[in-house]
Amino acid sequence: QVQLQESGPGLVKPSETLSLTCTVSGGTINSDYWSWIRQSPGGGLKWIGYISHSGHTNYLPSLRSRVTMSIDTSKTHFSLNLTSVTAADTAVYFCARVRYSDSAGYYPDSWGRGTLVSVSS
Amino acid sequence: SYELTQPPSVSVSPGQTERITCSGDALPKKYVYWYQQKSGQAPVLVIYEDNKRPAGVPERFSGSSSGTMATLTISGAQMEDEADYYCFSTDNSGKGLFGGGTKLTVL
Repeated sequence: QVQLQESGPGLVKPSETLSLTCTVSGGTINSDYWSWIRQSPGGGLKWIGYISHSGHTNYLPSLRSRVTMSIDTSKTHFSLNLTSVTAADTAVYFCARVRYSDSAGYYPDSWGRGTLVSVSS
Repeated sequence: SYELTQPPSVSVSPGQTERITCSGDALPKKYVYWYQQKSGQAPVLVIYEDNKRPAGVPERFSGSSSGTMATLTISGAQMEDEADYYCFSTDNSGKGLFGGGTKLTVL
């Protein structure tokens, strides 16, 4: 059974770059798609985007100018970079495996436990 | 912009049936997925492709979709079903999005 674990700094200064890594175990990163989702304190889930095993990306339009996802299939992890952060980017960030098919679309199925990132000086 | 609309909260007595709705203009052509999130935990998939239940999810969870509305039904609610529930789908351009979430209280 695939397991995912987020890692990265818990505190980022305003205007700097938030960088997170998701390590995948119990499955292969060379198939499926992989995603990032965030949840502001007391708020709902917000889809950030996904990256395929071949590097194809699909980002939320409102974040597209600041988001970059990358994947390292040899090291079984994928990453999120979010530039020019503000307090509004404070959230729990989840990574998740995405099930994708041309007929059914896509959806996250297995999730990491999430990591809280606070943006503050 | 496209949105998926859910009621903010619902409540149910133990053993009773409750339905949580998710509405969106693209739903007639898009599948809906449902997630349960208990306090302090990661979301868990409980329904996929409108009405399919992953292995390990209790049979009291079921899903349906008709027109612009999808419904998650919990038949015979248990105390452990108290959680936030989110629907997920994609818009016509393929962008993913979640509904605003529904807090289910079992009392």
